[in-house]
Formats: sequence, C-alpha cells, structure tokens
Amino acid sequence: DQQVKQNSPSLSVQEGRISILNCDYTNSMFDYFLWYKKYPAEGPTFLISISSIKDKNEDGRFTVFLNKSAKHLSLHIVPSQPGDSAVYFCAASVDTGGFKTIFGAGTRLFVKA
Amino acid sequence: KAGVTQTPRYLIKTRGQQVTLSCSPISGHRSVSWYQQTPGQGLQFLFEYFSETQRNKGNFPGRFSGRQFSNSRSEMNVSTLELGDSALYLCASSPSVSQETQYFGPGTRLLVL
Repeated sequence: DQQVKQNSPSLSVQEGRISILNCDYTNSMFDYFLWYKKYPAEGPTFLISISSIKDKNEDGRFTVFLNKSAKHLSLHIVPSQPGDSAVYFCAASVDTGGFKTIFGAGTRLFVKA
Repeated sequence: KAGVTQTPRYLIKTRGQQVTLSCSPISGHRSVSWYQQTPGQGLQFLFEYFSETQRNKGNFPGRFSGRQFSNSRSEMNVSTLELGDSALYLCASSPSVSQETQYFGPGTRLLVL
C-alpha cells in the first residue's frame, strides 16, 4: 500500500536550470508533507516542509507546492547546482495517536555542470 | 550538539541469527523512529517510540521489535534473520511529539548471508 509515490526514479537537469521533483499521495488525512535529501553513506537530511493548510512554502532556492485537490506536491529548486545532486525523498506525516511518516521511494537528481 | 548516532555501522549475519541495533538520539529529543531502506523501496516505517512507549508500528512481522530506554536511547531487534532483511536501517529523532522534522542517523547497513 504505497500511500506516497514518487513516479520518477531519476531526473537530470543542467546547472542553473530549474529542477522539479514530483510526489503524489493517496491519504487525505496527512498533516504535513516534507522533503528530505540523501547523499550516499549518510542519513536523509530535512530540506523543507509544508503544512496541509498551506499551498506554498519557500526557503531560499527551494519551494514546495501543495495541491490538495490533486493530492500532489512538488519541490522546485531554482537555480539548480551540482551540489544538489542527491536522492530526494518526499514524505507525509499523519497523527494516529503517534506520528507516522510515510516516505516515497525517492528520486535521484543529477545536476550537470 | 551531537547528531543521531547509530551502532554498529555495518553488520554481517547469517540466516536464522538475531541482531540488535542501537540508536542514540540528539540530546533532548524524546521521539525515536526506525526505518528500513532497501533499493527501490524508499524508507519503510518500522516503529516510533516516545518516552519509552511505542506509539506507532509499521507493517513488519513480529520478528522486528524495539524498545526505548529512559534516556531516550533506542534499540531495534530482528530475530530469525532472513536474506530479505538485508537493508540499511535508519534511526531518526525528533524534538517533540510532532514528526514535522526528523533528524536521521547515518544508518546501520545489515547484510544477511
């Protein structure tokens, strides 16, 4: 039961251009949506989040958009830099008497110099 | 502040054995979650502890268990290991009851032969 889906396993972008990573979810009860970034041999690091009551959150080069009616969120990175090359995980959190975070399978981003 | 630490970092076991993994959260963090990461599957939620109580559990067999101590350190145990248990096991801690942001350790890579 994959409640959070990242349908693109990989994405390649030229340095300086926009990277758009997409994520779909099925559970309308999710309270928070998060993006994590993971480099090899390291644990994921938190990047940016958005509450289910908002539709946009921006932090520097990173912006997350939430479309609740479509159950879709996206992460925009502008401008993309080679150091952004990593695996990006979309995640959604729900309070079921204790929080449970469901992660997508991840999208590997390659930013070419 | 020291980050989340996990021991051991690498482990090789044979089928049928059991294993215990350890996680020390960031000082002051009371919530600890465990995840299993396998190629193509993303992070699969195992369980979450808060103040020594398991508040949430993922869809894993009973061979997977955990506990949390009064100092918030947590252990995860897998009994009767199977080849499919080979994975990266990640621990994450959170400062509050909300899992809005989790801080991950580097993981323990388990290989079952």
